[in-house]
Formats: sequence, structure tokens, C-alpha cells
Amino acid sequence: AQSVTQLGSHVSVSEGALVLLRCNYSSSVPPYLFWYVQYPNQGLQLLLKYTTGATLVKGINGFEAEFKKSETSFHLTKPSAHMSDAAEYFCAVSAVFGNEKLTFGTGTRLTIIP
Amino acid sequence: DSGVTQTPKHLITATGQRVTLRCSPRSGDLSVYWYQQSLDQGLQFLIQYYNGEERAKGNILERFSAQQFPDLHSELNLSSLELGDSALYFCASSTPGGGPDTQYFGPGTRLTVL
Repeated sequence: AQSVTQLGSHVSVSEGALVLLRCNYSSSVPPYLFWYVQYPNQGLQLLLKYTTGATLVKGINGFEAEFKKSETSFHLTKPSAHMSDAAEYFCAVSAVFGNEKLTFGTGTRLTIIP
Repeated sequence: DSGVTQTPKHLITATGQRVTLRCSPRSGDLSVYWYQQSLDQGLQFLIQYYNGEERAKGNILERFSAQQFPDLHSELNLSSLELGDSALYFCASSTPGGGPDTQYFGPGTRLTVL
């Protein structure tokens, strides 16, 4: 079984400040990890994913995430927040083998303060 | 634009009714996934089809059913609707492969049950 925990349902940061959205996963098999973003009234868009190989993954819009197996974490960061980053962010996990479904966290709503 | 289309965008219906949601995957994608996003349950996997065959089942109610047609489009049928079925229903598609490739999400169908 797999699960994802996103710490903080709401995060507010000032424009230009560091964005840090936390995600911890639980998986009995090697995981694939994803971050998706959902803008208001839109579908989910993939930000980045970790499959195998390099543990620091770079995505779109300046976001990156680091897979830390020892900490079972996959936190999302961006050095400098922009107003357009305001959205809801979902961390998700799927199994390397077997069922390909995504198991999502509960989401973190990111607000950018001007 | 992810390339996944869903119709209708909005659907308002009454309790006890039956509705059909339609999804067209990206060109070349063989897998279709259905997810439900609601305020109380979050984003939950419902069902997956691969090249016309059911591949995995999640938290899908018995009142719900789905199928994938030879042209690879998929339909999600919801019957005996209840107020609690009001949600955003997403379809996603992915390319065939040996593991959980990136899933591309459609814009969703917002179902309101009155």
C-alpha cells in the first residue's frame, strides 16, 4: 500500500521568498513520485517527477524536488516565489511495479503575498 | 493544453438520475484513468482501463461503471446519483510502457447533484 502526507494544507509566502512544500510518502515498493499543480478551475498539470536516477529533479516554472529515501520525503522548492505560483499543489506516489494508479496527498494551497 | 479532452465541462442533475462523462485520451495513449476530486475525499483514483480492458480498480462505487471503446475514448457512468457524488471528475491518460508513465489530466467535469 502507498500513501502520501502533505504537511500544511495552506502555505503563504511573500513574493520573492523561498517556497517549500512538504511531502512524505509511504510505500512498500520502490516509488515513483510526482508533484502536480492545479490552478483555479483547471485540471492538474505535472510539475516534475522522480522515477530513478538523480535524486534532485528539476521541473517546470523553476520548481525542483529532492527524493530522500532515508527521510521518505519529496519536498518541493522554488527559490523565489512569483505571484503566478499561487495554486494548489499535490504530491502523488505510484508503484514502480504493479498498479499504476496515482495516490495523491490532500494538497497544499499556496498563497503568494505581494 | 494536455491533449486530454473531457465533456461536458459542467453537469447539473438531480438525485436518482444517471449521467455519462466522456473522455478522449491523448493521441497514442492506451491507458485511461478516472479520478474523483471532492472536498471531503480529496483526489481519489476510481478506475483504469488499458487498451479496452479494465486494468485496476480503486474506490469506485458499485453505482459507477466505466468502459473504454475501440477508439480508446472512455466513458464513466454514474447512476442513482446522490448529493455526495457532487465532485470534479478527472480523466487522465498515459503512454504505454513498463511502468507508471506520466499521466496527463483533462480539464475535468464538474458534476453537481441537486
